[in-house]
Amino acid sequence: AQSVAQPEDQVNVAEGNPLTVKCTYSVSGNPYLFWYVQYPNRGLQFLLKYITGDNLVKGSYGFEAEFNKSQTSFHLKKPSALVSDSALYFCAVRDPRSNDYKLSFGAGTTVTVRA
Amino acid sequence: DAGVIQSPRHEVTEMGQEVTLRCKPISGHDYLFWYRQTMMRGLELLIYFNNNVPIDDSGMPEDRFSAKMPNASFSTLKIQPSEPRDSAVYFCASRPLPEGRQGYYGYTFGSGTRLTVV
Repeated sequence: AQSVAQPEDQVNVAEGNPLTVKCTYSVSGNPYLFWYVQYPNRGLQFLLKYITGDNLVKGSYGFEAEFNKSQTSFHLKKPSALVSDSALYFCAVRDPRSNDYKLSFGAGTTVTVRA
Repeated sequence: DAGVIQSPRHEVTEMGQEVTLRCKPISGHDYLFWYRQTMMRGLELLIYFNNNVPIDDSGMPEDRFSAKMPNASFSTLKIQPSEPRDSAVYFCASRPLPEGRQGYYGYTFGSGTRLTVV
């Protein structure tokens, strides 16, 4: 079974401050991990992924995430948040040994960046 | 590439009516997924197809829901009869096979259909 948890429903930061959105996962083996962002009235957009290799992955819009196997975490980070980063963020996981290609999504974290 | 295209963007219908949501996946994508998003339950996978064949429909909430994929470029999700608790945003997503082709590991989502049943 595969699952992710996003422990925070909401994250509020001031513009220019660092932004962190937390995600922990549960998968039997090595995971494929993803972050998606959803802006109001839009579909989910891919931000970044971890498949293998370097634990620090860089994605769109200045976001990055660090894969930590010992802590089973994949936190999303941005060094300096913008008001335009305000959105709903989803973490997702897939067990690559599974043949069904289903992603399991977290409940989402609403990020609000205040000016 | 126009991405995953869903129609309509918004649908308002009366309880008891039939509703049909449509999805056109990205050309060449072998997998198609239907998700439902609500405040209470988040993102739920309803059903997915591989090469037009339904593989897992265990997420379909009840017999009022049905989905078809008559060809590689079109899928429908039908609710008959619709109920107010079906109000949600319904997303379609697609992905290619094999995994890793063109660096592809995740999904591409459509913009969704916001369904309101009154």
